[in-house]
Amino acid sequence: RKEVEQDPGPFNVPEGATVAFNCTYSNSASQSFFWYRQDCRKEPKLLMSVYSSGNEDGRFTAQLNRASQYISLLIRDSKLSDSATYLCVVRVDYKLSFGAGTTVTVRA
Amino acid sequence: EAGVAQSPRYKIIEKRQSVAFWCNPISGHATLYWYQQILGQGPKLLIQFQNNGVVDDSQLPKDRFSAERLKGVDSTLKIQPAKLEDSAVYLCASSLIGQGARAFFGQGTRLTVV
Repeated sequence: RKEVEQDPGPFNVPEGATVAFNCTYSNSASQSFFWYRQDCRKEPKLLMSVYSSGNEDGRFTAQLNRASQYISLLIRDSKLSDSATYLCVVRVDYKLSFGAGTTVTVRA
Repeated sequence: EAGVAQSPRYKIIEKRQSVAFWCNPISGHATLYWYQQILGQGPKLLIQFQNNGVVDDSQLPKDRFSAERLKGVDSTLKIQPAKLEDSAVYLCASSLIGQGARAFFGQGTRLTVV
């Protein structure tokens, strides 16, 4: 079983729509969680950390469910510039593990 | 603040040749990672350093890949000899030490083996 699994998508949504997707992780000892964004042919960049109580950053909302071992990302009022691959990242001790990413395409 | 620097940006080599990549992490970041990202996949950790010591190289193909971080700052990753399946983007990242430490990535080196 992979350490971090994501629905690869793609999620094709119109501008202004809401899109949400999940990531599951296998190690119950996982300590920290992040969402990274990766644009085509670019390096991954931190989008947001995910906290136990859930957190928002503008139009982005992240949730953590430790009991079911998944995290989620919700994007409200999608913009064309949100088109990217979203990577779920989990830290266990010193090790960071990446999912394969969920591709989101926002269309005009 | 300067980011993670990597060079070269692109490299094309023939199979069985050798190649080396260089990375200079963000100043003060004790942890340095090398990831391999094959097209359509997430980054896969090859090796992780804390200062100049290796903390994880379990997924490094040690028969052909090597890496060092001699002075605990910059690092080199070498492939010798290269295979076609080594074609990928090699990403270097760095972070502070700690559970919540976030990793910052360089722009990567895109390697094509022909």
